[in-house]
Amino acid sequence: GNSVTQMEGPVTLSEEAFLTINCTYTATGYPSLFWYVQYPGEGLQLLLKATKADDKGSNKGFEATYRKETTSFHLEKGSVQVSDSAVYFCALSDRTGTASKLTFGTGTRLQVTL
Amino acid sequence: GAVVSQHPSRVICKSGTSVKIECRSLDFQATTMFWYRQFPKQSLMLMATSNEGSKATYEQGVEKDKFLINHASLTLSTLTVTSAHPEDSSFYICSANGGVAEQYFGPGTRLTVT
Repeated sequence: GNSVTQMEGPVTLSEEAFLTINCTYTATGYPSLFWYVQYPGEGLQLLLKATKADDKGSNKGFEATYRKETTSFHLEKGSVQVSDSAVYFCALSDRTGTASKLTFGTGTRLQVTL
Repeated sequence: GAVVSQHPSRVICKSGTSVKIECRSLDFQATTMFWYRQFPKQSLMLMATSNEGSKATYEQGVEKDKFLINHASLTLSTLTVTSAHPEDSSFYICSANGGVAEQYFGPGTRLTVT
C-alpha cells in the first residue's frame, strides 16, 4: 500500500535559517505529491503540490521537487520566519483528475525563534 | 474560492450523547467529502469517504454504526458521533473536492466528551 515517511520533529530554527524537511514515499503507479501546513488549532492548508516527476511545486518561498528516482519530495525554504512555525504534512494521492484518498505522513513540527 | 467550513468548531458533550458535525463547501459543489480524525501531535487518519447521494465508504477499523456519515447534498456532509465516549474525544477534520485531485480542508472540530 501507499505510505509517506517524514523526518521526525520538532525542528527548531532561528529566523532566516535554511529549512529542509525530508519526505519519502512508497506508492504504486504515479501519485501526486503535496505539502500541507497546519497552524495551531486550525485545519490543513495546501502549501504546494507536484503532479508528475521532476515537477517543482512552490509557494510563499517554499519549494519541493518530485523526485521519482529517489521517491522523495523534500520541502525547502531559504529563509524561515517566525510566522512559518506550524506543523507540515507531506501527502500523496494515488490518482489525478478525480477524487482520491490522501495518505499523510506523521507531520513535522517547525518552531522558528527570533 | 474553494472554502470549506465546519460547524461547530468546538463541542463538549456528555458521555452517551450524540454529536453532529457539519461540513460545508461554501463556493463550490463537492462530489466527494472525506472525514479525518487527528489525535494530538499525530497525523490525520482517514475515517471515511462520502459521495453525494450514496453510502459512505469506511476505512478499516472505523465503526460505521458509531460514526454516521450523511452526504445529502453537493455542499453538505455531516458526521454524527453516536453514543460518544471519552475515547472519541479528538479533532475531526473534513475535506472536500469538486471532482479534481486537490482536497480543500475545513478548519476542524474539536470534540471533547466528558
